[in-house]
Amino acid sequence: KAGVTQTPRYLIKTRGQQVTLSCSPISGHRSVSWYQQTPGQGLQFLFEYFSETQRNKGNFPGRFSGRQFSNSRSEMNVSTLELGDSALYLCASSLDGFSYEQYFGPGTRLTVT
Amino acid sequence: QQQVKQSPQSLIVQKGGISIINCAYENTAFDYFPWYQQFPGKGPALLIAIRPDVSEKKEGRFTISFNKSAKQFSLHIMDSQPGDSATYFCAASGRRASGGSYIPTFGRGTSLIVHP
Repeated sequence: KAGVTQTPRYLIKTRGQQVTLSCSPISGHRSVSWYQQTPGQGLQFLFEYFSETQRNKGNFPGRFSGRQFSNSRSEMNVSTLELGDSALYLCASSLDGFSYEQYFGPGTRLTVT
Repeated sequence: QQQVKQSPQSLIVQKGGISIINCAYENTAFDYFPWYQQFPGKGPALLIAIRPDVSEKKEGRFTISFNKSAKQFSLHIMDSQPGDSATYFCAASGRRASGGSYIPTFGRGTSLIVHP
């Protein structure tokens, strides 16, 4: 089975721009979660989608949003980028929810200048 | 925010030694405790996980010990190898009694270096 894939792997944006990141979960997995990883804050949960519905949301501002498509692929969007948004954005898929096994993708390294 | 406290922040072990990483959680409703291994430039990989109905789970050289009363769990890496050098994260999550799930909480990570 193919693992979780994320595109793009690297991205450089300017403050004020917006960005869209994509995640394809493992085939058959219906839950996709997004995380932000930084050296200072560690791994922080952004949101989880299950069957095209946002099921849980972390403590991030409304500039961070996401969606899930009928094929379980997911996108997250960050609008009005700030320097502090520079991070590794990780996507994780699981069969039905994140209280069970989660499998992470390689991440998208976002740099905001 | 539910917390999971992980220690130590960094660990240096000689090849063949035992690496021990500890985590403590707060929410007694958590019922799933995974450990992840992350190499530079890669996403975290699920290493081993335990549920509170058992006190220990072993997979190869990796063992989780779980102490429900103390709300603590630990990862033991036996016969540590240089290839084990990575960052290790503990996490905790679970299902709410009312339905839905708790947001998973991660420890801050332990950077393990195994010297040859």
